Amino acid sequence: GQQLNQSPQSMFIQEGEDVSMNCTSSSIFNTWLWYKQDPGEGPVLLIALYKAGELTSNGRLTAQFGITRKDSFLNISASIPSDVGIYFCAGQPPPGSGYALNFGKGTSLLVTP
Amino acid sequence: ETGVTQSPTHLIKTRGQQVTLRCSSQSGHNTVSWYQQALGQGPQFIFQYYREEENGRGNFPPRFSGLQFPNYSSELNVNALELDDSALYLCASSLQGGGLGNYGYTFGSGTRLTVV
Repeated sequence: GQQLNQSPQSMFIQEGEDVSMNCTSSSIFNTWLWYKQDPGEGPVLLIALYKAGELTSNGRLTAQFGITRKDSFLNISASIPSDVGIYFCAGQPPPGSGYALNFGKGTSLLVTP
Repeated sequence: ETGVTQSPTHLIKTRGQQVTLRCSSQSGHNTVSWYQQALGQGPQFIFQYYREEENGRGNFPPRFSGLQFPNYSSELNVNALELDDSALYLCASSLQGGGLGNYGYTFGSGTRLTVV
């Protein structure tokens, strides 16, 4: 599968700031997922999106499924130190196009108190 | 409800050796997928098993093979290890065959394999 284009590669922000990261693909997806991975752990699902245009929130996190089905973004509002980690976008292609989740390279987030 | 457990957590092998990694899927899940995550990269799909049969494979050579057992646990076997096989190997379980939404995907903490 393809590796998605995720940006920025890293962010270094102060506590309380808002964060935005996005992901683009050359092909369409049926599902967009956003994961957070802490050191020594597997990815943990934050938000799942199933429909083009869908905007979904989970606490301070908000994500959107792009209209073209080739992009998605994740926003984190009022960041706190425990938001530190690596955030990955992942897309699943339509049925018949494979079973794999295609991941981005990740956005490393550092938050200073 | 137990999550996905993987063993061992860390492993060091010599080039040319063979390795077996194990995964116990989350209770109620019937599908297991394996991913390889190199340092600084996102996970890359290796293959998926559904009801004990491989039903999807990524761009990995045949020396990467797997099994799924009747209790839905799974093994990843890698033969003739190469230095580039050093990575975090993640197992993820889900309820369906992967064709309809992956909201049920649960990842384990991974096995860190180092090949020297």
